[in-house]
Amino acid sequence: GENVEQHPSTLSVQEGDSAVIKCTYSDSASNYFPWYKQELGKRPQLIIDIRSNVGEKKDQRIAVTLNKTAKHFSLHITETQPEDSAVYFCAASKTGGYQKVTFGIGTKLQVIP
Amino acid sequence: GAGVSQSPSNKVTEKGKDVELRCDPISGHTALYWYRQRLGQGLEFLIYFQGNSAPDKSGLPSDRFSAERTGESVSTLTIQRTQQEDSAVYLCASSLAAGIYEQYFGPGTRLTVT
Repeated sequence: GENVEQHPSTLSVQEGDSAVIKCTYSDSASNYFPWYKQELGKRPQLIIDIRSNVGEKKDQRIAVTLNKTAKHFSLHITETQPEDSAVYFCAASKTGGYQKVTFGIGTKLQVIP
Repeated sequence: GAGVSQSPSNKVTEKGKDVELRCDPISGHTALYWYRQRLGQGLEFLIYFQGNSAPDKSGLPSDRFSAERTGESVSTLTIQRTQQEDSAVYLCASSLAAGIYEQYFGPGTRLTVT
């Protein structure tokens, strides 16, 4: 089955700096890669996703890049703000057959004002 | 529209008792997932349902855990003979279909086994 590894497990950045979280996956058939943000005490919510037919996707201050050859994808947050502090989960899944979504272990991001 | 709802929001139970957790998915969502999240930890997959297909139970940690779903509606997760290590937040999520669609999470049920 799919295995998703995520790092770092914790990340502290100064407000205004950039943050990068990286994930690797094992199943080359995976073709959908979402990122979820979970604020303290709240439920996870999708913030951005990317499908395998593109290499990069941006939405304001967040972007995700995908390297299918290397089987890794990354989340980039620019101009970080205190409200970006949360746990971020990457995930991978695919079409066809059973499509269980496999999550990474999460990265706790702390933005220091 | 209404999102995913779960009940109860909190449950405190004594070790050895059975508990039943409920999830109401978004109407029209054919896929439903259960996850366990221990304090400060990640999302541990338990089980998922996709339409009328047989559920994927590969994440259930022991035979004390079971889940049911009636058609494409409500799901219940049952934990028998609860143990202290079962204490966690149990999250339910639904999506239009399995795999490549956004999962909408419920608020979770915080289970405490004393």
